[in-house]
Amino acid sequence: DTGVSQDPRHKITKRGQNVTFRCDPISEHNRLYWYRQTLGQGPEFLTYFQNEAQLEKSRLLSDRFSAERPKGSFSTLEIQRTEQGDSAMYLCASSLERGSTDTQYFGPGTRLTVL
Amino acid sequence: DAKTTQPPSMDCAEGRAANLPCNHSTISGNEYVYWYRQIHSQGPQYIIHGLKNNETNEMASLIITEDRKSSTLILPHATLRDTAVYYCIVRWAGAGSYQLTFGKGTKLSVIP
Repeated sequence: DTGVSQDPRHKITKRGQNVTFRCDPISEHNRLYWYRQTLGQGPEFLTYFQNEAQLEKSRLLSDRFSAERPKGSFSTLEIQRTEQGDSAMYLCASSLERGSTDTQYFGPGTRLTVL
Repeated sequence: DAKTTQPPSMDCAEGRAANLPCNHSTISGNEYVYWYRQIHSQGPQYIIHGLKNNETNEMASLIITEDRKSSTLILPHATLRDTAVYYCIVRWAGAGSYQLTFGKGTKLSVIP
């Protein structure tokens, strides 16, 4: 399967702990996005990379959140000092820049539960 | 990005066409209409997108009105596996922000 993959699929942690999620985009896709989805809501944009450069961050991305894409391939999203409000599905998407538009393809998500 | 309005839920009989409406009355000339769906506990799945013309692929057809203020996603022969939340998204096609802005979508239930 050459789709977007995310690891882990599920994470349970205690409040105050740090967690890190990984996303592997579709090969050769130069854009990578992180979204967060809480129960009953649509996904909300967190941040976006073009190659290794982080070009846009939502105000939802507090200073406890950090994302990296060091070599322009896989990406990691770290949450420090987790809070119960961080419980959500974290989704990664990738796309190939193509003229004036591109299509984002999503991974299966990582479901985070903060106890 | 322009805002979209979708009905919160719809039912469709298995084997019949599912027609999912979306209003985007403030859409601008350089904004595309995208449709995604999300089956329970999975990531969103891309379906189709268009600018002005009607579009068709192996999954669905997208009908955009001439004034571009509304569109309809058509699943020609709905199956139980099409039960999902369907999101209509309007997205700026120019340089700059590339994020997708999701609403609450339409929950489509395909009934046997």
